[in-house]
Amino acid sequence: GAGVSQSPRYKVAKRGQDVALRCDPISGHVSLFWYQQALGQGPEFLTYFQNEAQLDKSGLPSDRFFAERPEGSVSTLKIQRTQQEDSAVYLCASSPGPISGNTIYFGEGSWLTVV
Amino acid sequence: KNQVEQSPQSLIILEGKNCTLQCNYTVSPFSNLRWYKQDTGRGPVSLTIMTFSENTKSNGRYTATLDADTKQSSLHITASQLSDSASYICVVSVADSNYQLIWGAGTKLIIKP
Repeated sequence: GAGVSQSPRYKVAKRGQDVALRCDPISGHVSLFWYQQALGQGPEFLTYFQNEAQLDKSGLPSDRFFAERPEGSVSTLKIQRTQQEDSAVYLCASSPGPISGNTIYFGEGSWLTVV
Repeated sequence: KNQVEQSPQSLIILEGKNCTLQCNYTVSPFSNLRWYKQDTGRGPVSLTIMTFSENTKSNGRYTATLDADTKQSSLHITASQLSDSASYICVVSVADSNYQLIWGAGTKLIIKP
């Protein structure tokens, strides 16, 4: 596709429910990021993939959060046993290679509301 | 500690006026500085990327400046339009990392007719 695609665009989950958020990066992009953005705040880093390798997951808030990119393209962010504090926009971004000098392209985000 | 601070936190101006947003950073080692525009409910969109050797870069009505000595950057918007209403976020890359970005909290800009 022409840009980074995320789905679902909006998700309402009941507390305790598991959710899966999908990211289709721009074809051929090596780097993939997940960010969490609370209302009125800047994005907070969650995790980084270089191809299929998850090089940094230090930003994942708890062990309820899990991300994968098994074939080095599509990525899924899974949140188990959702809680109200998980309500946020989850942004996926991709870049052709290391970010130095490269533009990072963002998707429109997946808006998660936990009720 | 690596930090990026932006000011003002919010700004309201009349359509057609110019404005300047500020970004101060304490990031080391520095790689490059980016400005993003984020419309409400949308993902951030890149406006400019500057390395330490670049003093200014333009993208249409947006002009970014960088002073690597004082570790300051500004984003100047000329002849503002209603569509410029958005959050503008300053982001600095760390040189010894392939992926680490330090994000500012953003300036929320509102253009009034």
